[in-house]
Amino acid sequence: LAKTTQPISMDSYEGQEVNITCSHNNIATNDYITWYQQFPSQGPRFIIQGYKTKVTNEVASLFIPADRKSSTLSLPRVSLSDTAVYYCLVVGGYGQNFVFGPGTRLSVLP
Amino acid sequence: SAVISQKPSRDICQRGTSLTIQCQVDSQVTMMFWYRQQPGQSLTLIATANQGSEATYESGFVIDKFPISRPNLTFSTLTVSNMSPEDSSIYLCSVKGLTANTGELFFGEGSRLTVL
Repeated sequence: LAKTTQPISMDSYEGQEVNITCSHNNIATNDYITWYQQFPSQGPRFIIQGYKTKVTNEVASLFIPADRKSSTLSLPRVSLSDTAVYYCLVVGGYGQNFVFGPGTRLSVLP
Repeated sequence: SAVISQKPSRDICQRGTSLTIQCQVDSQVTMMFWYRQQPGQSLTLIATANQGSEATYESGFVIDKFPISRPNLTFSTLTVSNMSPEDSSIYLCSVKGLTANTGELFFGEGSRLTVL
């Protein structure tokens, strides 16, 4: 089971790009890197998933270097509504090991 | 996607009592998970409940304290037994949906329990 490490908190201002990095040194060959967003009083919401290189969707981009020991979630031009906790998970290739780490609490300031 | 309904959304319970949380999914799913989230903390996986098999509990969680039922592919219950104030938490049901993303879970809104 790959352990993940993220910054506990980050601050940003509206309109800036935010990059949150997650370390997962013992990731296995079949593991996927997945990111979730959680607002207060709600369950987490899936944002993006990747295996290697770069993945982009309408919400975010995910950058994964060749060694896959880390990943970076990039949120373009954040707004106040992006204030949330962001979790990085390393999930087994067969959809197992959904273990949440401490997450990163992002505060977007006006 | 999958839409998950949890009941109750919140409850206040007395010490020593038990409470059953229901999780209803709008589609058939194989993998279902129960999490606990204490105020200001991350999620902790309690158990995995797959239909047709016994629930698999994570370290620190036992069946006597958190019995789980999974009678079919759209429904599950989690019981918090003999509650103490330390069990005050948000309990979340989640499912592995039929999407292309291996790591994609769908979550309910959670059940907030307060034990007095």
